[in-house]
Amino acid sequence: ETGVTQTPRHLVMGMTNKKSLKCEQHLGHNAMYWYKQSAKKPLELMFVYSLEERVENNSVPSRFSPECPNSSHLFLHLHTLQPEDSALYLCASSQDGAGGPAKNIQYFGAGTRLSVL
Amino acid sequence: LAKTTQPISMDSYEGQEVNITCSHNNIATNDYITWYQQFPSQGPRFIIQGYKTKVTNEVASLFIPADRKSSTLSLPRVSLSDTAVYYCLVGFALDNYGQNFVFGPGTRLSVLP
Repeated sequence: ETGVTQTPRHLVMGMTNKKSLKCEQHLGHNAMYWYKQSAKKPLELMFVYSLEERVENNSVPSRFSPECPNSSHLFLHLHTLQPEDSALYLCASSQDGAGGPAKNIQYFGAGTRLSVL
Repeated sequence: LAKTTQPISMDSYEGQEVNITCSHNNIATNDYITWYQQFPSQGPRFIIQGYKTKVTNEVASLFIPADRKSSTLSLPRVSLSDTAVYYCLVGFALDNYGQNFVFGPGTRLSVLP
């Protein structure tokens, strides 16, 4: 148990569906992240939120829409996805800043395995 | 972004010590060196972090030479359950431009019986 909970663990959706991935962290952290990991590929950073503001968006297609209502929750809204979007989606959190050199150790959830048919 | 280079794969046998070296020639003054472990279909898990010299915890040791241009993760007496991908990252906190490090392909460690 890492203190970061992702739901659902598995999701199968059609290309016309709309679904959302949820992430919740119980660590009191102030930064949250979405990563995509395709088969046998490195993790790709999608979005970063620090203090509930988006600080990074790595050219992610608009069919992925993040939402961070507070520092403990992060959502990834999905619509009209493509089969190549099938992957493991990982959420992470870290304590960023807080005076002095921050070490940005990230704690990951177990991920959501997404299959787009 | 600080770039890292590490072997793509390594094999070892149970009970052996495994050393995985990571090169990071353009490490910046404020950068820390962090290692993660990832099992299939799970998120990466923090193993150890250091800035210079040697750091040891209950899982591993991290050796960093004085010039900090490389680092070595040492896993003592590995077991089959240590089979995983190990990532070396170099970076600092989030800055105005976002995250200043990236996950590379990592080193796939296979521990054989």
